[in-house]
This record gives sequence, C-alpha cells and structure tokens, in this order.
Amino acid sequence: AQKVTQAQTEISVVEKEDVTLDCVYETRDTTYYLFWYKQPPSGELVFLIRRNSFDEQNEISGRYSWNFQKSTSSFNFTITASQVVDSAVYFCALFSSGFGTGTRLQVTL
Amino acid sequence: DTAVSQTPKYLVTQMGNDKSIKCEQNLGHDTMYWYKQDSKKFLKIMFSYNNKELIINETVPNRFSPKSPDKAHLNLHINSLELGDSAVYFCASSQGWGRRGQNTEAFFGQGTRLTVV
Repeated sequence: AQKVTQAQTEISVVEKEDVTLDCVYETRDTTYYLFWYKQPPSGELVFLIRRNSFDEQNEISGRYSWNFQKSTSSFNFTITASQVVDSAVYFCALFSSGFGTGTRLQVTL
Repeated sequence: DTAVSQTPKYLVTQMGNDKSIKCEQNLGHDTMYWYKQDSKKFLKIMFSYNNKELIINETVPNRFSPKSPDKAHLNLHINSLELGDSAVYFCASSQGWGRRGQNTEAFFGQGTRLTVV
C-alpha cells in the first residue's frame, strides 16, 4: 500500500518565523520518488522539489529546505523566515499518484 | 507559451449533461494525468496515460472516460454529470511515470472548475 500523511491540516505563523511542514509516507517499493508542490490562493500547482529514495542528502534552496529521512519515512519541508507570499497549500506526494491531504500555511504580518 | 493548457477554465452545467475537458501539453512529455481536487483541497489521481496507453485507472465512475488521441493530448469526457462531480480538475504531464524509469515532476495545467447545478 502507498500512503502519504500530512498530519498538519493548517498552520499559522507570523512573518519571519520558521515553519516546518511534515510529511510521512508508506511504500513497499525500494525505489520511489517524493515531491513537494505548492498551491497558492490563485489555484495553480507548482512543483518545488523531487527526491528519489537513494538520495538522502538534505537540500536547501534559498529559504526552503527539505529533510529526507528513510529511517522514519519522512520528507519534511522547512521554510525559513517565512513571508506572506509563502501562504499556500503545500502537498507532499509519492510518485505522481499519491498526494497527501495538504497543509494550509497562513503567514500573517 | 503555456506548457500544459486545459480548456475550459470554468464549466457550469446541469445535472445529466455530458461534457468534455481538453488538455494539451507542449513539453514533449510521455505521460499525462487527470486529477480531481475537491472542495477540501484533496487531490486525487484519476487516470494516467503513458505514450497513449492507459497506465493508471483509479476507482472512478465509468461515466468518466479519458481519451488520448496522441501523447500531447489527454481529454476527459464525463457523461451524465452529477452534483458530486463538482470539483476542480487538473491535467498534468511528466517526462516519466510511476515505478519505471525516471519519474520526474508533474507540470500542471491551470485547472478546470466544474460546477454541476
């Protein structure tokens, strides 16, 4: 069975706070791909990152960073110094077929 | 140039009608998808085609029928529309798919908001 769990339904932070969005996955495959997507209020879905199961290196892109840990089946996403423009729904996905339920992030001034 | 385009963007129709949503990608990708996003923002895959071959067919009423005339197009036809079909439908494409070969990120269209009244 394949499953992605994003336990945080909604998170509210004040601008400049750091925030971590959790993602836990289940799969029996030894090779798999994980993704994060962003859906801003305008509605489009924007790809953020892809990680394959053999690459456990953490990744940083500007204020965004991702922590992939196979031992805990987690692929968490941290936004440092959050900004209002980060307000969106964020989806974690396993392959292209298994999306989590999303975490709505609200960043206020 | 839009990478993945779907039409129409909005569709309001009565129960019982038949409607189609068209999708085209100009990225040269081999794989295309249809997803449904409900009012709670849950995003669920419906179908996936790889090189015009159906590879994912989730539990979807058979009133929904995808058609892929070529690998750049994946249209969605819905018969006998019901109130519960109201949702945003997203088309997407990727270079690879699933468990075989390279699986790359999906590029999404802007979505079609379907409202059944």
